[in-house]
Amino acid sequence: GAVVSQHPSWVICKSGTSVKIECRSLDFQATTMFWYRQFPKQSLMLMATSNEGSKATYEQGVEKDKFLINHASLTLSTLTVTSAHPEDSSFYICSASFGGGGNEQFFGPGTRLTVL
Amino acid sequence: AQTVTQSQPEMSVQEAETVTLSCTYDTSENNYYLFWYKQPPSRQMILVIRQEAYKQQNATENRFSVNFQKAAKSFSLKISDSQLGDTAMYFCAFMRRYTGANSKLTFGKGITLSVRP
Repeated sequence: GAVVSQHPSWVICKSGTSVKIECRSLDFQATTMFWYRQFPKQSLMLMATSNEGSKATYEQGVEKDKFLINHASLTLSTLTVTSAHPEDSSFYICSASFGGGGNEQFFGPGTRLTVL
Repeated sequence: AQTVTQSQPEMSVQEAETVTLSCTYDTSENNYYLFWYKQPPSRQMILVIRQEAYKQQNATENRFSVNFQKAAKSFSLKISDSQLGDTAMYFCAFMRRYTGANSKLTFGKGITLSVRP
């Protein structure tokens, strides 16, 4: 099956610093990658969609200058949380897709970010 | 815009019993996909089952089956012979059937299922 990895699995940082989270498709080329945010016991909230070589498309209400997304290759997308604050603490999940209508999204294991 | 509603926040079932999780959705689209995802305590999202709206036959995957009622916009998940490993949060999700590259999932709020030994 298609495997997606995320690194790191958890990170603790100080307020004001930036944190980068990597999402990799290990055995397939991902035309599209998605970034979600999830609070405890809640649903996944889509933050942005990225296509390889293009600028990410952000959902309404998501600060693009705070959550920088780069999809540099067909196997790697990164999410950088800039000048992180405690309210950015959350569980971040990426998914990857071959693209096209109805294609399955394969999810990474998630990254837990704690901002002190 | 599409909405997915899961009105039951929690359910509990005895091991080996059958449980049904409810989901309704609203859309003006005619061609779409519906999914059930499982998120166990590890928080890894796992696809349980997928239904294509243009197919009348209900999808089945081993112990998991759906009751897809397109006119009623209802998509329930039945878990037979419940096992302790089925304990997880379950999300119902909708995706437009779209030829573009960005087929987004719209998730419901989820339901926490506990399987009792």
